[in-house]
Amino acid sequence: GAGVSQSPSNKVTEKGKDVELRCDPISGHTALYWYRQSLGQGLEFLIYFQGNSAPDKSGLPSDRFSAERTGGSVSTLTIQRTQQEDSAVYLCASSPRLGQGLDTQYFGPGTRLTVL
Amino acid sequence: AQKVTQAQTEISVVEKEDVTLDCVYETRDTTYYLFWYKQPPSGELVFLIRRNSFDEQNEISGRYSWNFQKSTSSFNFTITASQVVDSAVYFCALSGYFGNEKLTFGTGTRLTIIP
Repeated sequence: GAGVSQSPSNKVTEKGKDVELRCDPISGHTALYWYRQSLGQGLEFLIYFQGNSAPDKSGLPSDRFSAERTGGSVSTLTIQRTQQEDSAVYLCASSPRLGQGLDTQYFGPGTRLTVL
Repeated sequence: AQKVTQAQTEISVVEKEDVTLDCVYETRDTTYYLFWYKQPPSGELVFLIRRNSFDEQNEISGRYSWNFQKSTSSFNFTITASQVVDSAVYFCALSGYFGNEKLTFGTGTRLTIIP
């Protein structure tokens, strides 16, 4: 079946502009995660959704970052007033099971964000 | 706090040699999960294995094997008879249990297989 998809694959923006990154999880997966991969920070967790609610937002680096999930499916990560340090690959992952411990997270191809 | 250490930044071996990637973790959780992911040059993270903290049995899947030792907080990954297609960055990761499932990643080991 189809894997996690993300769009756009690449995004170049100017400092100060807002960007939206989209994630389409694997069909039926209830949990959705956003991570960021950058040279300086490695792979770091941003936010976790269970259904449409976000019980863990602890990784969002500042209030310029927000995310939502609608219909228990698609998620959008929004970065307002982008800064050069926001340049990174933003990865989305989904996992199939609700509660009862952990199921494996499957990753999408990522969105490479470059802030000029 | 959880922490994963992959001390080997880069490893190069000649094709057909065996290679072991090290992973050491820290957690206060009594129940947790350990993972290995592969990131080939294409960039997508590919899941390889998940182990829970209750199960210390070693696992073998084809040329891949994993050695989980709770006593040393290690979860090492061995590739036997390496191939050029094994060239990638390999990440070890740790998560908690119910309600704490976010992955904490190590910094990765870049493996290059020389033909």
